[in-house]
Amino acid sequence: DGGITQSPKYLFRKEGQNVTLSCEQNLNHDAMYWYRQDPGQGLRLIYYSQIVNDFQKGDIAEGYSVSREKKESFPLTVTSAQKNPTAFYLCASRGQGVYNQPQHFGDGTRLSIL
Amino acid sequence: AQKITQTQPGMFVQEKEAVTLDCTYDTSDQSYGLFWYKQPSSGEMIFLIYQGSYDEQNATEGRYSLNFQKARKSANLVISASQLGDSAMYFCAMRGVQGAQKLVFGQGTRLTINP
Repeated sequence: DGGITQSPKYLFRKEGQNVTLSCEQNLNHDAMYWYRQDPGQGLRLIYYSQIVNDFQKGDIAEGYSVSREKKESFPLTVTSAQKNPTAFYLCASRGQGVYNQPQHFGDGTRLSIL
Repeated sequence: AQKITQTQPGMFVQEKEAVTLDCTYDTSDQSYGLFWYKQPSSGEMIFLIYQGSYDEQNATEGRYSLNFQKARKSANLVISASQLGDSAMYFCAMRGVQGAQKLVFGQGTRLTINP
């Protein structure tokens, strides 16, 4: 079945450490997104990519980095510069073309500080 | 800038009753799309229904329908005959033309269905 796979499901970060969250999709979608969700809040856009080797900052990109070397993969690195990384991270993808296509989401990664 | 407002932090409804979740939006785009997602306690985001700004009919998908009032900039989700499995967070989101690929989300409404 086609879908979006995020790993790991739970991740713990030590002070000063960079960690990378994986997002892989087999939906053949061009666009991919990373969102952050804090408890009881809506989703905020971190980064997005509309095509391989290109990506743009979202609303809260500081302290995060991404790469898009393959169409299927859009990993997110939470750097040590992100001082409050504890949150739920969701990856999404969307096909191009039809305007009413929704974004499809993975199951998320919960990141906590040790 | 686009903004979504969901004014109901929590809603409690008896099973089998209908429920309306409110969503108002603000945008300067003439063409835009509105989405509703359901987020169960497990965390995944499930797409429910879409309404385009130029759609003449209110969107419907099974037990879900959208009460779209363009002049009032509201896009309320109506769930008919609620079920225990409808208990979840519900998010309204918008996609405009200028940020065509990006979704802006509201704060969400936590819906609890009581037996």
